[in-house]
Amino acid sequence: QSVLTQPPSVSGAPGQRVTISCTGSSSNIGAGYDVHWYQQLPGTAPKLLIYGNSNRPSGVPDRFSGSKSGTSASLAITGLQAEDEADYYCQSYDSSPPVVFGGGTKLTVL
Amino acid sequence: QVQLQESGPGLVKPSQTLSLTCTVSGGSISSGSYYWSWIRQPAGKGLEWIGRIYTSGSTNYNPSLKSRVTISVDTSKNQFSLKLSSVTAADTAVYYCARGSSYGDYGYWGQGTLVTVSS
Repeated sequence: QSVLTQPPSVSGAPGQRVTISCTGSSSNIGAGYDVHWYQQLPGTAPKLLIYGNSNRPSGVPDRFSGSKSGTSASLAITGLQAEDEADYYCQSYDSSPPVVFGGGTKLTVL
Repeated sequence: QVQLQESGPGLVKPSQTLSLTCTVSGGSISSGSYYWSWIRQPAGKGLEWIGRIYTSGSTNYNPSLKSRVTISVDTSKNQFSLKLSSVTAADTAVYYCARGSSYGDYGYWGQGTLVTVSS
């Protein structure tokens, strides 16, 4: 059972907007710690998608955006494309262990 | 461009010690305010943080694995390593090495290496 809770799956049609939630607690996200998001394509290593709640690394399309409020964070993907089909993970800081991940969300593009 | 590459045996017998090395290229492991981590992922499951090391030698481990884990760094070889003792089938996973930043995110990952625990 992961410290950060994500929905197991979400889906959307091409061109649509989907959001993935990441729910934590007062010891991690609610304590003000940053949330980061990763995209993992099948058979590959995770790739940093969003860091520091809402910042995109160079090369990440602006279709991906992140936000944080209270004890939760969200990843939004607009203009859904077939290539976005992947697993998505959130990550934050906690007391012990200091690095915690969400359980992951599988995005299916219909 | 920083690159990380895991290496080590792909098959380990139960009760033995799993040993992996991560070689960092494209930059010095000692430069910048970074830390170096091991993260694993059992087949079909999520990511599990194992631990991290700063080039000062300071370490933090996941409490669930702490009694069995040692992470070390060799700055002369630009490498850091993982040892996990007394392995069981539950330790079978893809093991990733990654670089953590001052933000706490992992911007660089190795490609991952599958370690199977089986007799």
